Amino acid sequence: DAMVIQNPRYQVTQFGKPVTLSCSQTLNHNVMYWYQQKSSQAPKLLFHYYDKDFNNEADTPDNFQSRRPNTSFCFLDIRSPGLGDAAMYLCATSRDAFSYNEQFFGPGTRLTVL
Amino acid sequence: DAKTTQPPSMDCAEGRAANLPCNHSTISGNEYVYWYRQIHSQGPQYIIHGLKNNETNEMASLIITEDRKSSTLILPHATLRDTAVYYCIVRVAMGGAQKLVFGQGTRLTINP
Repeated sequence: DAMVIQNPRYQVTQFGKPVTLSCSQTLNHNVMYWYQQKSSQAPKLLFHYYDKDFNNEADTPDNFQSRRPNTSFCFLDIRSPGLGDAAMYLCATSRDAFSYNEQFFGPGTRLTVL
Repeated sequence: DAKTTQPPSMDCAEGRAANLPCNHSTISGNEYVYWYRQIHSQGPQYIIHGLKNNETNEMASLIITEDRKSSTLILPHATLRDTAVYYCIVRVAMGGAQKLVFGQGTRLTINP
């Protein structure tokens, strides 16, 4: 089945140690998104790629970076994780820009910072 | 994107219809109403969306008032697996992609 895959499902890192989260999709969608969801809060958009064009949200910290080497893969890099970055990180895709296109979410990666 | 207001929690008996309200009084003419749900420890799942007309699919029905300032998501025969946080989102396409701005949602508990 076509889907959005996130690896790993659980990631533990140390304070200040760079970490990379991965997302892949078999849907061949143009747009890929990264959301951060802290405990008991709603998901919050960090940034998205429309094809190769990167779009950062205004309030996303510089500590968060992203790469999209091809259509299928997108990575979230946290350069120096702090305790406040512990959260579920959700990857999502959508086919293109039209309002009626739904977003498909992966299962998420739960990041723990020690 | 317009702001949405939802009750923080609701309960519903298994087998009954669950009606989840959402207020979006500042919605503009080109903004769609979307509903997603998030079952515990999973990614959000699309349910349904609409612009003006009522919509129905295999999961739910969406009733939008004539002035479009509020809507109701209806799960016709709720099951225990429908226990989740339900998000009502009003959005419009921006540039080359969509943006979903999640509110706090309604935590729906289906009771046996």
